[in-house]
Amino acid sequence: RKEVEQDPGPFNVPEGATVAFNCTYSNSASQSFFWYRQDCRKEPKLLMSVYSSGNEDGRFTAQLNRASQYISLLIRDSKLSDSATYLCVVNNAGGTSYGKLTFGQGTILTVHP
Amino acid sequence: DAGVTQSPTHLIKTRGQQVTLRCSPISGHKSVSWYQQVLGQGPQFIFQYYEKEERGRGNFPDRFSARQFPNYSSELNVNALLLGDSALYLCASSLGFADTQYFGPGTRLTVL
Repeated sequence: RKEVEQDPGPFNVPEGATVAFNCTYSNSASQSFFWYRQDCRKEPKLLMSVYSSGNEDGRFTAQLNRASQYISLLIRDSKLSDSATYLCVVNNAGGTSYGKLTFGQGTILTVHP
Repeated sequence: DAGVTQSPTHLIKTRGQQVTLRCSPISGHKSVSWYQQVLGQGPQFIFQYYEKEERGRGNFPDRFSARQFPNYSSELNVNALLLGDSALYLCASSLGFADTQYFGPGTRLTVL
């Protein structure tokens, strides 16, 4: 079983749509959680951290359920510029004493006019 | 403020050769991590350095090595290159080893 699993998609949605991405992680000792965004042939960029209380940044809402080891990202009112690969990321996935990021394989989102 | 910088941006090598990739972290950051990303997959952790010492190593062969310098910049070395080493090599910097990591633009390595 992969340490971090997410639906690879692709997701093709029209502008204005709401889209949700899901992710599960296997190690209950994992300590912190993120969504990164990666444009084609570019580096991953931090989109947002994910907290158990849920957090929102404009059109983006992230949620963590530690009991289910489940992470989600909701994008409302999709824009063309949201087209990218979204990476679910877990830090200290193995309960280690260093900052190893473990990535899911990424979910591809294409927003069309 | 300058972000993470990496050099070179692209590199073409042949099998069996050796390569050195370089990374300069964000000013004030003391930790550098290296990741390998092959096409269609998420990045895979190779190393993390903090205060010039190796803190962690991923599941990569001994052909991969790295070091961190007193100015916190870092080098990743790969010996005896294989075709499968072709990938985007990403460097990430963070304040401390457990803090949020910010990525550089990467070095795209092609092994022929």
